[in-house]
Amino acid sequence: GAGVSQSPSNKVTEKGKDVELRCDPISGHTALYWYRQRLGQGLEFLIYFQGNSAPDKSGLPSDRFSAERTGESVSTLTIQRTQQEDSAVYLCASRQQGYNEQFFGPGTRLTVL
Amino acid sequence: AQTVTQSQPEMSVQEAETVTLSCTYDTSESDYYLFWYKQPPSRQMILVIRQEAYKQQNATENRFSVNFQKAAKSFSLKISDSQLGDAAMYFCAFDTGTASKLTFGTGTRLQVTL
Repeated sequence: GAGVSQSPSNKVTEKGKDVELRCDPISGHTALYWYRQRLGQGLEFLIYFQGNSAPDKSGLPSDRFSAERTGESVSTLTIQRTQQEDSAVYLCASRQQGYNEQFFGPGTRLTVL
Repeated sequence: AQTVTQSQPEMSVQEAETVTLSCTYDTSESDYYLFWYKQPPSRQMILVIRQEAYKQQNATENRFSVNFQKAAKSFSLKISDSQLGDAAMYFCAFDTGTASKLTFGTGTRLQVTL
């Protein structure tokens, strides 16, 4: 595709429910990142996938958060037993090997009631 | 650990005027990359300009330029001939060069007035 796409654009859920967010990176980009942006804040790193290497999960805030990536394609970020503090915009980015620029998707706005 | 500080939560500039957004960072690395991203209300993060730390020459992209002071760990963004479309959140970001992740500042909201 032309750019990074994310779905859904917006998600409203009830506290305690599980949610799954999807990211489609730019074709051919080997690296994929997830970031969280709370209201009025900068972006916080969550997790990083690079090819077939073990992902860097150092930014995941708790064991309720997990992410998977199939090869060099789609990634899903799962949040289990959502809490109100999980309300934020979740942004995905991808990067081509050998280059430092990350290309971002439009994000998913998650609201936990 | 790297940190990025943007001390101006909000800035305002008149159309056609020039504005400078400040950014400082802290790192023990000698080789790294610095970025300015623009985030309009659409939420899409758009790369404005990048600077490699090993380059002494300041990066320039059309109306956007940076003042990179490596010793002072300062990386400011200058927007010349400001346009209404420049109104957005601007984030300064740091990458160690291993490209494992970006570290972002808290952002500066830029308003452009007529």
